[in-house]
Amino acid sequence: GQQLNQSPQSMFIQEGEDVSMNCTSSSIFNTWLWYKQEPGEGPVLLIALYKAGELTSNGRLTAQFGITRKDSFLNISASIPSDVGIYFCAGNNYGQNFVFGPGTRLSVLP
Amino acid sequence: DAGVTQSPTHLIKTRGQQVTLRCSPKSGHDTVSWYQQALGQGPQFIFQYYEEEERQRGNFPDRFSGHQFPNYSSELNVNALLLGDSALYLCASSLDGTSASTDTQYFGPGTRLTVL
Repeated sequence: GQQLNQSPQSMFIQEGEDVSMNCTSSSIFNTWLWYKQEPGEGPVLLIALYKAGELTSNGRLTAQFGITRKDSFLNISASIPSDVGIYFCAGNNYGQNFVFGPGTRLSVLP
Repeated sequence: DAGVTQSPTHLIKTRGQQVTLRCSPKSGHDTVSWYQQALGQGPQFIFQYYEEEERQRGNFPDRFSGHQFPNYSSELNVNALLLGDSALYLCASSLDGTSASTDTQYFGPGTRLTVL
């Protein structure tokens, strides 16, 4: 079945640094979603991508839909303490269920 | 605009018991998907309900069943609970549309199930 890989698995950064993480798939997707989850809560949708090559921003967050349609990238600029959490990517083809990656755990050091 | 709501927040059961979890979708949404999230892992798809029928199903045994009501709310039932069923159960809602741009899911806060 479809599998997603996320890297890095975890990262520790200094406040103010930029962050980059990516998600790769063994198969092609038509939609990529990025979520953030904090302890004890459900995932919160950050960015949705629907077209190969698409670059979309949401405040300090920018995500891209890879040209091959098998990957996606999330960047966070000028990180702040409230960016701490687990970032999940999810992909699907229209009409099919979403497949989630294992997550990237982000820690921001003051 | 009400988001996705789930109840209860937490639940403790013993092995062999049955449990029912509830979900109300985001206003305007008609499709509900259920996920199981074990500690330290990403959400795993259980099944999806649309028009009161199960439309898709992940790799979960028949002990996991569900229902969708005419108002689009949904229930997840798990029978003969096992220790391994302990997890965060997430409900996500979406709108079944004709374009891919509507293929976006919003999650509820989840129900934490502990099986002893």
